[in-house]
Amino acid sequence: AQSVTQPDIHITVSEGASLELRCNYSYGATPYLFWYVQSPGQGLQLLLKYFSGDTLVQGIKGFEAEFKRSQSSFNLRKPSVHWSDAAEYFCAVGAPDQNAGNMLTFGGGTRLMVKP
Amino acid sequence: DGGITQSPKYLFRKEGQNVTLSCEQNLNHDAMYWYRQDPGQGLRLIYYSQIVNDFQKGDIAEGYSVSREKKESFPLTVTSAQKNPTAFYLCASALLDRPQHFGDGTRLSIL
Repeated sequence: AQSVTQPDIHITVSEGASLELRCNYSYGATPYLFWYVQSPGQGLQLLLKYFSGDTLVQGIKGFEAEFKRSQSSFNLRKPSVHWSDAAEYFCAVGAPDQNAGNMLTFGGGTRLMVKP
Repeated sequence: DGGITQSPKYLFRKEGQNVTLSCEQNLNHDAMYWYRQDPGQGLRLIYYSQIVNDFQKGDIAEGYSVSREKKESFPLTVTSAQKNPTAFYLCASALLDRPQHFGDGTRLSIL
């Protein structure tokens, strides 16, 4: 069974600073990987996904993530954070042999706070 | 616009009462899912359905029931057997080889 760990429960960055949110997964093969963002009281919005190919993935809102097989990681980055990026971020892993849309396993989330 | 609609946004349950959360999608997605989210935790899968008239238990199905009579609809019933129902409930849908799309959630509380 797959698992996902987001080591940082809370992160605070200053507006304009760079951001990196960590995600480590456990899975026997190359998984499908996702980052979602959730604003308070809202559903989850897909930021980006990795299925195969280029290990550096570009997403919406200026986010990118890099799949590193050797480290079992899929860290999310943004070069310059905006106040509107304050939200909770979830990393998720899906098992390709069960279809990407099925059986996602989510990390516990990282809450991002942005200082003016 | 296509999307997933969850209703109501807020719901209150009395002791011993069953309540039903609605989830409707007009994305023509095959698969639908229900998740439970507790404060400070990730999402946990309650039930999922890949086709009409078929559904499977997720990790925390006890105290919940679902039906999938139509492709567009996947209602979740929180039964009186669920002793700790207070949570944020999220519905999602997907084509079978594509990422899941989420509704805006229903917050369930106990009176």
